[in-house]
Amino acid sequence: GQNIDQPTEMTATEGAIVQINCTYQTSGFNGLFWYQQHAGEAPTFLSYNVLDGLEEKGRFSSFLSRSKGYSYLLLKELQMKDSASYLCAVRDGDKIIFGKGTRLHILP
Amino acid sequence: DSGVTQTPKHLITATGQRVTLRCSPRSGDLSVYWYQQSLDQGLQFLIHYYNGEERAKGNILERFSAQQFPDLHSELNLSSLELGDSALYFCASSGTGTTEAFFGQGTRLTVV
Repeated sequence: GQNIDQPTEMTATEGAIVQINCTYQTSGFNGLFWYQQHAGEAPTFLSYNVLDGLEEKGRFSSFLSRSKGYSYLLLKELQMKDSASYLCAVRDGDKIIFGKGTRLHILP
Repeated sequence: DSGVTQTPKHLITATGQRVTLRCSPRSGDLSVYWYQQSLDQGLQFLIHYYNGEERAKGNILERFSAQQFPDLHSELNLSSLELGDSALYFCASSGTGTTEAFFGQGTRLTVV
């Protein structure tokens, strides 16, 4: 089976740091993605991890542990425009399977 | 702009009808993925085509079908529509050797 879990909602304060966790159980694994999606819009690519460890890209970082089936997305120096849903997705062979997403609310 | 084009942007139709959604991938991309996103739901994987061939199927209903043409554009056909089929339908494309998939702006289907 395929199961990707992430928290439904999170709230953080402008300027702070937030970590969004994702756990997965899939029949195969060829990499893990994080996407950002504003309501009613298309998902946009944030990061890709295929090997264990931390990938840093500006204010966003993503971590992967394949042995634990675990990833997180770290957002630093939060801005109001970061209010969005964050989607964790796993490439499993010819499929890209998404979790239900974490809706992040940013408070001023 | 991701370079992936979906038409139409909005579609309103009645129950029992059939519609066709169209997707043009980024130039040079061979893979097209289709997803359904219902209100407050995640992206549900429907189907993946690569260079004209079906490569993987998700939980796609038998009333739904897709194809990818020689020019690499793809169409998703939805028939015998039900109220519950109302959703955003996204396609995404990726190329050989690339990692991420790029999404189109989606087609919002409303079944009344």
